[in-house]
Amino acid sequence: GQQLNQSPQSMFIQEGEDVSMNCTSSSIFNTWLWYKQDPGEGPVLLIALYKAGELTSNGRLTAQFGITRKDSFLNISASIPSDVGIYFCAGQTNNAGNMLTFGGGTRLMVKP
Amino acid sequence: EAQVTQNPRYLITVTGKKLTVTCSQNMNHEYMSWYRQDPGLGLRQIYYSMNVEVTDKGDVPEGYKVSRKEKRNFPLILESPSPNQTSLYFCASSLGNSEQFFGPGTRLTVL
Repeated sequence: GQQLNQSPQSMFIQEGEDVSMNCTSSSIFNTWLWYKQDPGEGPVLLIALYKAGELTSNGRLTAQFGITRKDSFLNISASIPSDVGIYFCAGQTNNAGNMLTFGGGTRLMVKP
Repeated sequence: EAQVTQNPRYLITVTGKKLTVTCSQNMNHEYMSWYRQDPGLGLRQIYYSMNVEVTDKGDVPEGYKVSRKEKRNFPLILESPSPNQTSLYFCASSLGNSEQFFGPGTRLTVL
């Protein structure tokens, strides 16, 4: 199946710093999604992107859908301790039902 | 409260002993799916269902079965579990192509 390369795999940052992570794919996606997973819970949707070039914000989070439709990034500004968790990108194509292809995840650790 | 529930949350079993992980949603969603999560691999889809009595294979269906007799339930069946099926399993549901809501996960260990 398709694969998404997500980087970095992990980050350890100081509270207040900005964070950036990205995903690249060899295939085109029609939708890019960013999820966050807290320990012991399932992933929760943060941002959904539906058009190439789209830039969307959700509070301190900003994500962009790359114009080639093969990549996306997520930025977190002014990180806080509750940002700790695993962040996943996911791509979705219209011809695969509602199937999501996930990246390997970025584990974020924030030092107070 | 709108939610996806899974049972059990934790299970330790032995090779070859059939098991079922249940998934239920109370949101009247047509679409349901099962994923497994392994370190460094993200979540990979096992099976999905577009509606009652309609199921299809995802990326990693080998060793798993599912059924969708009712809209709210989508059990995952391992007829003969093996150690390589040790993983964290998530059920998800959605209304059509909209946002998928994930359950809390089932951590399975096969000895």
